[in-house]
Amino acid sequence: AQTVTQSQPEMSVQEAETVTLSCTYDTSESDYYLFWYKQPPSRQMILVIRQEAYKQQNATENRFSVNFQKAAKSFSLKISDSQLGDAAMYFCAYRRQYNNNDMRFGAGTRLTVKP
Amino acid sequence: EPEVTQTPSHQVTQMGQEVILRCVPISNHLYFYWYRQILGQKVEFLVSFYNNEISEKSEIFDDQFSVERPDGSNFTLKIRSTKLEDSAMYFCASTYTEVNYGYTFGSGTRLTVV
Repeated sequence: AQTVTQSQPEMSVQEAETVTLSCTYDTSESDYYLFWYKQPPSRQMILVIRQEAYKQQNATENRFSVNFQKAAKSFSLKISDSQLGDAAMYFCAYRRQYNNNDMRFGAGTRLTVKP
Repeated sequence: EPEVTQTPSHQVTQMGQEVILRCVPISNHLYFYWYRQILGQKVEFLVSFYNNEISEKSEIFDDQFSVERPDGSNFTLKIRSTKLEDSAMYFCASTYTEVNYGYTFGSGTRLTVV
């Protein structure tokens, strides 16, 4: 079974600074996808960034980037130039590639941004 | 931008009552999902649905739960006899293809069982 672990229940960052959220996962698959979702107080789940396991290049989306280490099964999210609106729960998620299988989520990291 | 729409946003029900949570996925999406999130806990998979049938379900999705896509647009989750522990946020999600897209989630229905 695939499991996703987020070892940081809470993180805080100063506005305009950079923060890295950690995620590790366990799988025997070689092809899969990884995602970071943001859940603000409104509780909606918003896709932040995704990474295909077969790609060596780390995904980036504006201020958001990942450090994908396939051998280590690690998928961290870096938020640069943090903004107050980045404050939210962040969930790391895993999904197998060739299967409409469920997406497995980590327990989440609550990010606080200090002004 | 297309959205997944869920109604109602909040529902309060008596224990033992049946509830139906409604979702309108994005129109050209083919795969549909229900997830739940008990307050303060992780998001948990309930069921996936494709081609008018359940493709996978978790152990949470027992005989009390059912899903339907009655009219080609709505996608419903029914809980036949609610229990206190069913209180949670329920998210509907959809995706166009099983390949690399992330899911588009709805804004959720908060179910409170009293």
